[in-house]
Amino acid sequence: AQKITQTQPGMFVQEKEAVTLDCTYDTSDPSYGLFWYKQPSSGEMIFLIYQGSYDQQNATEGRYSLNFQKARKSANLVISASQLGDSAMYFCAMREEASGGYNKLIFGAGTRLAVHP
Amino acid sequence: GAGVSQSPSNKVTEKGKDVELRCDPISGHTALYWYRQSLGQGLEFLIYFQGNSAPDKSGLPSDRFSAERTGGSVSTLTIQRTQQEDSAVYLCASSPPRTPYEQYFGPGTRLTVT
Repeated sequence: AQKITQTQPGMFVQEKEAVTLDCTYDTSDPSYGLFWYKQPSSGEMIFLIYQGSYDQQNATEGRYSLNFQKARKSANLVISASQLGDSAMYFCAMREEASGGYNKLIFGAGTRLAVHP
Repeated sequence: GAGVSQSPSNKVTEKGKDVELRCDPISGHTALYWYRQSLGQGLEFLIYFQGNSAPDKSGLPSDRFSAERTGGSVSTLTIQRTQQEDSAVYLCASSPPRTPYEQYFGPGTRLTVT
């Protein structure tokens, strides 16, 4: 069975510093995808970044980059130049491709990030 | 354009009552998902719709939970005879047909069973 592990329940970082949020995964499927979502206190899940298992390059989206190490089965999120608005819960997720070709997401437990001024 | 909308945003109900939660996906999105997020937890998959059919109901926690989708658009999640352990945030997501791995989430419905 697929599994996502986020070992950091909470992290804090100084404004303008970079921070890495850890995520490891377990799957036997050769084709998979990894996501990071941000959930602010408002509750909405905001898509940040996606990495496909066959992608050669690490995904980047603005200040977000995904450090994908396939052999180690890790997909850490790096946020550069942290901002106060980055304070939120961050979830790592993996898509599980079911028969019928649809995708359901398996989520980790999340990491709460606090950015201090 | 408009995102996924859910209503109500908050619902408080007494144990034993039935509740209906509504999800209005992004226009043109064919796939729709329901997830549940208990306090301090990650999201738990409940059910998936492709069009109006639900090929995967494996995540529904009990037969008190049911869902339907009409016209390939709006979906309703119904919980009968609510229990306190049903208290959670219920999130809906939809996916476009060309990039089905992208899921766009609504703001959720916070359900509290007293």
